[in-house]
Amino acid sequence: KQEVTQIPAALSVPEGENLVLNCSFTDSAIYNLQWFRQDPGKGLTSLLLIQSSQREQTSGRLNASLDKSSGRSTLYIAASQPGDSATYLCAVITGGGNKLTFGTGTQLKVEL
Amino acid sequence: DTGVSQNPRHKITKRGQNVTFRCDPISEHNRLYWYRQTLGQGPEFLTYFQNEAQLEKSRLLSDRFSAERPKGSFSTLEIQRTEQGDSAMYLCASSPTGLVDTEAFFGQGTRLTVV
Repeated sequence: KQEVTQIPAALSVPEGENLVLNCSFTDSAIYNLQWFRQDPGKGLTSLLLIQSSQREQTSGRLNASLDKSSGRSTLYIAASQPGDSATYLCAVITGGGNKLTFGTGTQLKVEL
Repeated sequence: DTGVSQNPRHKITKRGQNVTFRCDPISEHNRLYWYRQTLGQGPEFLTYFQNEAQLEKSRLLSDRFSAERPKGSFSTLEIQRTEQGDSAMYLCASSPTGLVDTEAFFGQGTRLTVV
């Protein structure tokens, strides 16, 4: 059974700092990995999708990497802003149907 | 297309009542998923449809839960005889079919509170 772990569970940083969020998964036979952002009481917003054949994806200040063999992904956020405060979730697709298995998330707070 | 739409956004119901939620996916997406999220946890898979066919149901989906997707368009999730443990955020997502482009897009969710 696929298990996804995210470390740290919570993170507080001052504005402008670069930061890294970690995601690990137990079954390396994944199709794709997707990073999401969730604001309190809201749904999920897709940030980046990394296909299993790719090693990284970039969107603006976000960069996600994938190392399938070691079962790890990182989300790098450059020059953090208070508006980046949210919970960040990673999810992997391993089985048929493309259903997602999620980690429990990292709650990020960027302070002025 | 404005993305995945879910209604209602919030629902408060008394224990034992039935509730129904609706999800309208992105129109060109064949796959539709339901997830449940409790406080402090990541979403957990409940069930998914490819077009109108329900292809998989999680063990989390007890007999009190039923989902439909008539004509492969919108979907409904019904919970019968609600219990306090059903209180959660119910999330709907849609995605294209395939192994490469699998990006899932989520709605804003329906927050259910059973009192």
